[in-house]
Amino acid sequence: KNEVEQSPQNLTAQEGEFITINCSYSVGISALHWLQQHPGGGIVSLFMLSSGKKKHGRLIATINIQEKHSSLHITASHPRDSAVYICAVLNMEYGNKLVFGAGTILRVKS
Amino acid sequence: GAVVSQHPSRVICKSGTSVKIECRSLDFQATTMFWYRQFPKKSLMLMATSNEGSKATYEQGVEKDKFLINHASLTLSTLTVTSAHPEDSSFYICSARDPLVPAGVGDTQYFGPGTRLTVL
Repeated sequence: KNEVEQSPQNLTAQEGEFITINCSYSVGISALHWLQQHPGGGIVSLFMLSSGKKKHGRLIATINIQEKHSSLHITASHPRDSAVYICAVLNMEYGNKLVFGAGTILRVKS
Repeated sequence: GAVVSQHPSRVICKSGTSVKIECRSLDFQATTMFWYRQFPKKSLMLMATSNEGSKATYEQGVEKDKFLINHASLTLSTLTVTSAHPEDSSFYICSARDPLVPAGVGDTQYFGPGTRLTVL
């Protein structure tokens, strides 16, 4: 079993839809990152969370430490949101190195 | 926000040659940088942790003589793929840790844009 599990693996949405991507982890963490990777490959860090909720524009990230679960929400989705979204956790048992989920491929159609 | 650059963004080389990839932190000093490898449709895999002024720490299964890492300054780490072979073809990404945030306490990493290596 992977230490970081994301769902769904693939997601296709219509422009304007509300999108949720989930991340569950099985290890103790000090923080969780949500990353965005566009087709060119470059990675952008969207959020870093250790508790609660963060919002930036149309993106919202939440984390429940007790349940070892985080969600990334995109409101009013747009085709430019199409990318791979990756959840990564700072594993306290792994020398505080990032451990990555497999990613969720999001495609937003206009 | 902090910026990390990589050079080159794309490189094609012949089998047997060595390729150097640079990772630079442009507006902050990074004592720790990380090198990742990403296979097609797979997630990132940590290869090694690069610490300024000391030897890199390699993850299990990563050949340190194959992937040479040098972190000679606070703004530059290099990864050299020696005697490259087609199986080394991959997407290599670096990240740098924000030194203003203590490690393990909301650790912040900034990622470079990546380097796509193709070995013919």
